[in-house]
Amino acid sequence: RKEVEQDPGPFNVPEGATVAFNCTYSNSASQSFFWYRQDCRKEPKLLMSVYSSGNEDGRFTAQLNRASQYISLLIRDSKLSDSATYLCVVSSGQNFVFGPGTRLSVLP
Amino acid sequence: EAGVTQFPSHSVIEKGQTVTLRCDPISGHDNLYWYRRVMGKEIKFLLHFVKESKQDESGMPNNRFLAERTGGTYSTLKVQPAELEDSGVYFCASSENRGQNNEQFFGPGTRLTVL
Repeated sequence: RKEVEQDPGPFNVPEGATVAFNCTYSNSASQSFFWYRQDCRKEPKLLMSVYSSGNEDGRFTAQLNRASQYISLLIRDSKLSDSATYLCVVSSGQNFVFGPGTRLSVLP
Repeated sequence: EAGVTQFPSHSVIEKGQTVTLRCDPISGHDNLYWYRRVMGKEIKFLLHFVKESKQDESGMPNNRFLAERTGGTYSTLKVQPAELEDSGVYFCASSENRGQNNEQFFGPGTRLTVL
């Protein structure tokens, strides 16, 4: 079993839709959680850190359930520019463990 | 402020040859990481420097890979001799030394193709 697993995707949604991504992790000692986005042939860039209380940044909401070892990302009112691969990233120290990513295509 | 830079952006070499990848972290970042993504797989950790010291090299695949960070500034990752399975994108990242929950800033990657 992979240490970090994500919805396999791809997700194809119309503009304006709400889309949710799920992620589970196996290492119960994990302490830090992030969502990164990666555009085609580009480097990963931080979208948001994920805190235990859940956090929101504009159209993006991230939630963490430590008991279930589950992380989610909700994107509301999706835009064409949201098309990318979304990477769930977990850390038990300094080093990152990446999920395989979920690809999102927002269609006009 | 300049981001993480990597050189070269692409490298095509033949099996058995040597390649050296370079990473320049964001100025002032003590932590430097190397990651690799091979075709169809997730990004995987290779190693972590704190300044010039190797903090964790548990992800290095074998002794054909050698990473250095002399002087605690830029880092090099040498593959010698390269094998076909070494093909992939090598990312470097850096972060400040603020304990947990540090954002890692990634470079654009070096795409290595071994023929």
